[in-house]
Amino acid sequence: DADVTQTPRNRITKTGKRIMLECSQTKGHDRMYWYRQDPGLGLRLIYYSFDVKDINKGEISDGYSVSRQAQAKFSLSLESAIPNQTALYFCATSDFRGTEQFFGPGTRLTVL
Amino acid sequence: KNEVEQSPQNLTAQEGEFITINCSYSVGISALHWLQQHPGGGIVSLFMLSSGKKKHGRLIATINIQEKHSSLHITASHPRDSAVYICAVEEGSNYKLTFGKGTLLTVNP
Repeated sequence: DADVTQTPRNRITKTGKRIMLECSQTKGHDRMYWYRQDPGLGLRLIYYSFDVKDINKGEISDGYSVSRQAQAKFSLSLESAIPNQTALYFCATSDFRGTEQFFGPGTRLTVL
Repeated sequence: KNEVEQSPQNLTAQEGEFITINCSYSVGISALHWLQQHPGGGIVSLFMLSSGKKKHGRLIATINIQEKHSSLHITASHPRDSAVYICAVEEGSNYKLTFGKGTLLTVNP
């Protein structure tokens, strides 16, 4: 079984809808991250969390919110989706040393 | 904000060729990561280095801190090496990464 899982893997939605992307990990890591990837651009950090009580904004947090329900779960929400949030979203984890990040398989989100 | 530039953007090689992908950054860093993104989208970490050189199988990563430059080399390239290779840098001790746009490598048989 994969160490970092994301659900759903693909989602098509309409402008204005609320969407939640979920990430779960079995690696026992404290640190979790949400990134988005757009064609021609590098991965960009949306939010990150170093433990259950720690949530931090990343480079492009506007229009997004997160919830760290447990050490193993980190959810990303789009409160009112807009078309320019169409992208590939990745969740990642790392241990406290941050030496390596482990990525989930990605969620392809399309907002019409 | 650190600017991370990779070159080339696209690279096509014949099986067996020696491959070099370059990464330069603008601000001093604490570590540099090389990652591989498979055609299906999955991302895996290849190396993290803060000085010198690391080797894993046919992959070699080097970094020159003074020059703010890193290279990823692939020896005896194989079609299964076809992927996007991504450079990312880490500043200070906050473990946040800034990513390059990636280099698309295609190795033909």
